[in-house]
Amino acid sequence: KAGVTQTPRYLIKTRGQQVTLSCSPISGHRSVSWYQQTPGQGLQFLFEYFSETQRNKGNFPGRFSGRQFSNSRSEMNVSTLELGDSALYLCASSLARSGQGGYEQYFGPGTRLTVT
Amino acid sequence: GQNIDQPTEMTATEGAIVQINCTYQTSGFNGLFWYQQHAGEAPTFLSYNVLDGLEEKGRFSSFLSRSKGYSYLLLKELQMKDSASYLCAVRGREGGGGYQKVTFGIGTKLQVIP
Repeated sequence: KAGVTQTPRYLIKTRGQQVTLSCSPISGHRSVSWYQQTPGQGLQFLFEYFSETQRNKGNFPGRFSGRQFSNSRSEMNVSTLELGDSALYLCASSLARSGQGGYEQYFGPGTRLTVT
Repeated sequence: GQNIDQPTEMTATEGAIVQINCTYQTSGFNGLFWYQQHAGEAPTFLSYNVLDGLEEKGRFSSFLSRSKGYSYLLLKELQMKDSASYLCAVRGREGGGGYQKVTFGIGTKLQVIP
């Protein structure tokens, strides 16, 4: 079974631009969560989607948004990029939604975003 | 909110046993996870505890005490390839709503030396 895939793997943008990252979960998985990982902060939860609906959201500004499609693929968008948005963005998929048993998450390789 | 504490770094010798501790505070606790993350790679799932006690899986074991808000990951017969960061993550209730989320600790960087 194919794992979680994320595109692109690397991205360089300038301040003020916007970016869209894509995540394809493992086949059959309906839950997709997004995380930001930086050396100082570790993994920070962005949001979770299940069945095309945002189920939970972390403490990030409104510049960070996402959506999920009917095939469970998910996109994350960051508008008006800031230098501090430089990070590894990880997507994780699971069978069950947050709060249900068996919530084992499988992570994708991540997208390394650099904002200059 | 949710708060997770774990040591930032540890060093252990090949063949030995190491215990990585994690303490947490959360509302509506609903499970604790351990993940392994090698440098430059994505985290991979190691274990899941929701009830008190020890869960054993090969060389890795994880323990949970809900009353103490405490967990540990035990690695036996350490190998050089076990050098990685180990992330403790807790699932709990955020705010006053019904939603739950998983919060990760900053991770413990384990170095295994010959």
